[in-house]
Amino acid sequence: EPEVTQTPSHQVTQMGQEVILRCVPISNHLYFYWYRQILGQKVEFLVSFYNNEISEKSEIFDDQFSVERPDGSNFTLKIRSTKLEDSAMYFCASRPSFYEQYFGPGTRLTVT
Amino acid sequence: AQSVAQPEDQVNVAEGNPLTVKCTYSVSGNPYLFWYVQYPNRGLQFLLKYITGDNLVKGSYGFEAEFNKSQTSFHLKKPSALVSDSALYFCAVRDPTGGGNKLTFGTGTQLKVEL
Repeated sequence: EPEVTQTPSHQVTQMGQEVILRCVPISNHLYFYWYRQILGQKVEFLVSFYNNEISEKSEIFDDQFSVERPDGSNFTLKIRSTKLEDSAMYFCASRPSFYEQYFGPGTRLTVT
Repeated sequence: AQSVAQPEDQVNVAEGNPLTVKCTYSVSGNPYLFWYVQYPNRGLQFLLKYITGDNLVKGSYGFEAEFNKSQTSFHLKKPSALVSDSALYFCAVRDPTGGGNKLTFGTGTQLKVEL
């Protein structure tokens, strides 16, 4: 069964550094998402992406964040200058034309 | 704005007994409702959804959920719990009128099934 994959599984970075989180959505899916889950808290929406552009973003997704689909398979989330409060589990998800989203295993980002 | 409430942080049930994990929602228009399960150090795994039609929906691993429009609820149920069902369960709602089709999640309910 096809799955969403994410790399790396764990990323440790220093405050102020740039990080890129990578995702390979399920092929033939059309809609792509990033969510995050701060330890012990609920899963929060960051951004949705369709047809090579952002279709919706949350208040969390400020100018420090960007997303890109550089080729036909990858979907990336970049954080330009990480802050301590960016430490969280980041989930990528994808969806075909219909309803449910399929989530990857997540990347745990630790900012020190 | 859409929202989801899961009133119980934890639910404990004995193996073999029925389980219920509660969820209520708030959304403008007709909701799309989902349940996901998260095992330790794993991603979110889709269990079931309600879009339209029959109020009782069946999903993976013997789980089902009942949509109740008047009570704005979508409780997750299973007739006979297994120890392996122990995990964190999230209810989510998608506002079909939203352009990005984002999911809004509840805070999660930890299900613990004991022998």
